[in-house]
Amino acid sequence: SQTIHQWPATLVQPVGSPLSLECTVEGTSNPNLYWYRQAAGRGLQLLFYSVGIGQISSEVPQNLSASRPQDRQFILSSKKLLLSDSGFYLCAWSTTGAVYGYTFGSGTRLTVV
Amino acid sequence: ILNVEQSPQSLHVQEGDSTNFTCSFPSSNFYALHWYRWETAKSPEALFVMTLNGDEKKKGRISATLNTKEGYSYLYIKGSQPEDSATYLCAFFSGSARQLTFGSGTQLTVLP
Repeated sequence: SQTIHQWPATLVQPVGSPLSLECTVEGTSNPNLYWYRQAAGRGLQLLFYSVGIGQISSEVPQNLSASRPQDRQFILSSKKLLLSDSGFYLCAWSTTGAVYGYTFGSGTRLTVV
Repeated sequence: ILNVEQSPQSLHVQEGDSTNFTCSFPSSNFYALHWYRWETAKSPEALFVMTLNGDEKKKGRISATLNTKEGYSYLYIKGSQPEDSATYLCAFFSGSARQLTFGSGTQLTVLP
């Protein structure tokens, strides 16, 4: 069966510090991978998605970046965090096309102080 | 940009009440409509995938209907319980997109 792992679960980082969140999927090949964020009081916002190794599409211009160094690994990064980067980050995967929906990771609560 | 809207934004009901909320989505190029249940600090849990106009899905006390021609879906909860408290998200998948477009959710609080 397929599983998705996301870590860390919580993170408190100072403004200006770097960020690395990691997501891995097991039990499937060539998944579509996604990073979403929920800021306080808001809905889910798509940040990045990837349909293959090294293929990243950015939905929202900001100081975050994503990379997919391996088929089942998706990393969200920042060189310098802003206060506005605080939120709940979710990784998700789907089969090609996503018509059957996503399976989400357990999420990371990021607080930038 | 696809627009998916949910209403109401939040809802408080008493235990035992039945309730429903709405998801509106573009009526053109429809492929699928998803409902998720999302508890705070947990990952969203899939409830239903709906693909055909007139679809009705049911899972215990929760059910959903779909009207693709007018672009809306209703989620119903019969006899709400405190454990139903969560945010209910709908997500739209169109033929032109490679990913789901989520609504902002309806936050349900069931008071004991």
